[in-house]
Amino acid sequence: DSGVTQTPKHLITATGQRVTLRCSPRSGDLSVYWYQQSLDQGLQFLIQYYNGEERAKGNILERFSAQQFPDLHSELNLSSLELGDSALYFCASSVGSLPNTGELFFGEGSRLTVL
Amino acid sequence: GENVEQHPSTLSVQEGDSAVIKCTYSDSASNYFPWYKQELGKGPQLIIDIRSNVGEKKDQRIAVTLNKTAKHFSLHITETQPEDSAVYFCAASYVTGGFKTIFGAGTRLFVKA
Repeated sequence: DSGVTQTPKHLITATGQRVTLRCSPRSGDLSVYWYQQSLDQGLQFLIQYYNGEERAKGNILERFSAQQFPDLHSELNLSSLELGDSALYFCASSVGSLPNTGELFFGEGSRLTVL
Repeated sequence: GENVEQHPSTLSVQEGDSAVIKCTYSDSASNYFPWYKQELGKGPQLIIDIRSNVGEKKDQRIAVTLNKTAKHFSLHITETQPEDSAVYFCAASYVTGGFKTIFGAGTRLFVKA
């Protein structure tokens, strides 16, 4: 158990809909990262928050947005969903703000299926 | 651009043999290179990492080597066991263009008993 909690584990929705994925980081970790893993694909970096502020941005679509709340949990909002958005979405957390400060702790992911 | 290339995409070995996975990165300012193992239905988990001030690091049956000049790093697993079967990801910390950890596409390792 990594200590990172993601909900929901599975989500099935229709094209055009909007969903929210939630992540609670490990106790004490200030950074939260979101990654997308499509079928047989690697981990695509979406966005990072550190202590409530956006720290780094990857290839996140404009239809997607995220935020980190004062209690450090994070939400990833996906809107106007398309079939191609079907993927496993991982949240990870770490103590520091920089990618070279150490291990990322991953949750078990939220599997999104868009029909 | 920000890229980490990983080869091979699939690797099948006999139990007891060695497995080698290779990665290249493009940002010469990168200084941290972790390797993650992802088992079925789980999130990736760090198995070993190396920083740019060393060329090699070992942890029991796992070793990682880094060639900064060539921007190459590799994972070596010796005496493979069936429980080593998983997807392995290399990653590099990117500095240029913003701080982020970029992952390779992954290698699916099968260890045949």
